Amino acid sequence: DQQVKQNSPSLSVQEGRISILNCDYTNSMFDYFLWYKKYPAEGPTFLISISSIKDKNEDGRFTVFLNKSAKHLSLHIVPSQPGDSAVYFCAAERYNFNKFYFGSGTKLNVKP
Amino acid sequence: GAGVSQSPSNKVTEKGKDVELRCDPISGHTALYWYRQSLGQGLEFLIYFQGNSAPDKSGLPSDRFSAERTGGSVSTLTIQRTQQEDSAVYLCASSLVGSNNQPQHFGDGTRLSIL
Repeated sequence: DQQVKQNSPSLSVQEGRISILNCDYTNSMFDYFLWYKKYPAEGPTFLISISSIKDKNEDGRFTVFLNKSAKHLSLHIVPSQPGDSAVYFCAAERYNFNKFYFGSGTKLNVKP
Repeated sequence: GAGVSQSPSNKVTEKGKDVELRCDPISGHTALYWYRQSLGQGLEFLIYFQGNSAPDKSGLPSDRFSAERTGGSVSTLTIQRTQQEDSAVYLCASSLVGSNNQPQHFGDGTRLSIL
């Protein structure tokens, strides 16, 4: 039973435009959410996170939005750059359970 | 460097052999995690260590899989009598403490291929 889902396996965006990556979860007890970026042959690198007490967190070109009622989070990248091309994973955790649940990833291609 | 280090980076072995994968976490990180990523899949949680103890082994897929951590630092994941379905990238991650809103830092993984 996959508790975190990324329904779009791939996304293609033009350089300079906005990239929106989506993630849905089923467990309402999750209270911490993260996005990771992964290049081929490398491990995932932490990008940005948000706790359930917030609905938005921004870091430079990256903004994560959380809609708890819809159990949905999204990552916005503005403006998108070719170097952003990678696989993006969302992850969720329930406080004190020490276990992270990951989505299956969305491969973003930013075209020059 | 100061990141999570995993070895070997690649391992090819015959079905039925045992393999041992190693993870060196970031110095001072007390929490350590093992994940597996099969082709086209997301990250599958295997086991979590807090210090040397493993309070959560729920993700280990079978009793052929075991892991230990010594000295609160290095961890080894052992797969006995490997099967072809064990082929995957095995990722290790560490964080400063378990839970409490701490992101994990990942190594580059060990790509395991079972012939």
